[in-house]
Amino acid sequence: GAGVSQSPSNKVTEKGKDVELRCDPISGHTALYWYRQSLGQGLEFLIYFQGNSAPDKSGLPSDRFSAERTGGSVSTLTIQRTQQEDSAVYLCASSLVSGGTNTEAFFGQGTRLTVV
Amino acid sequence: GDSVTQMEGPVTLSEEAFLTINCTYTATGYPSLFWYVQYPGEGLQLLLKATKADDKGSNKGFEATYRKETTSFHLEKGSVQVSDSAVYFCALRSYGNKLVFGAGTILRVKS
Repeated sequence: GAGVSQSPSNKVTEKGKDVELRCDPISGHTALYWYRQSLGQGLEFLIYFQGNSAPDKSGLPSDRFSAERTGGSVSTLTIQRTQQEDSAVYLCASSLVSGGTNTEAFFGQGTRLTVV
Repeated sequence: GDSVTQMEGPVTLSEEAFLTINCTYTATGYPSLFWYVQYPGEGLQLLLKATKADDKGSNKGFEATYRKETTSFHLEKGSVQVSDSAVYFCALRSYGNKLVFGAGTILRVKS
């Protein structure tokens, strides 16, 4: 696709349920990032993929959060047993890797998650 | 770990005023530096970047110079417009290619 695509755009879930957020990066982009943006807060790094592996998952807040990437393309972020504090906009970004360095990161529109 | 600190907002200016948004960083090695902008209702987009010391990034009248000696990358614009109202994020690409963002600064420009 032309840009980074995230789905769903909005998700309302009940506390305790599991949710799955999807990110479709720009074709050919091997680097993929997940961030969380809470109301009035900056961007909180969650996890970074290079291909299918995640060399940095230091930002995942707890073991309720997990992410995977398959085929070097689509990534899913799963939140188990959601809590109200998980409510935020979850952003995905992708970039090319050129000469061992990532180029500009392109962001999706985000998934707004509301836990009620 | 690597981090970015930017001035707190909101910053409120009149149209045609001069803008400075301060950004300083802490990083191992020599990171690339970025400013991203988020307009109301839109996604994050790259505004400008600089990859080495003394580089100046510029776009849409905005400028920022990579100052290694002061570990800073302040964003400036000589004459802001109402359409510049947005949230501005300073960021660095650290060792290992992770992108680290500041907390963001809200800019409001009044006509």
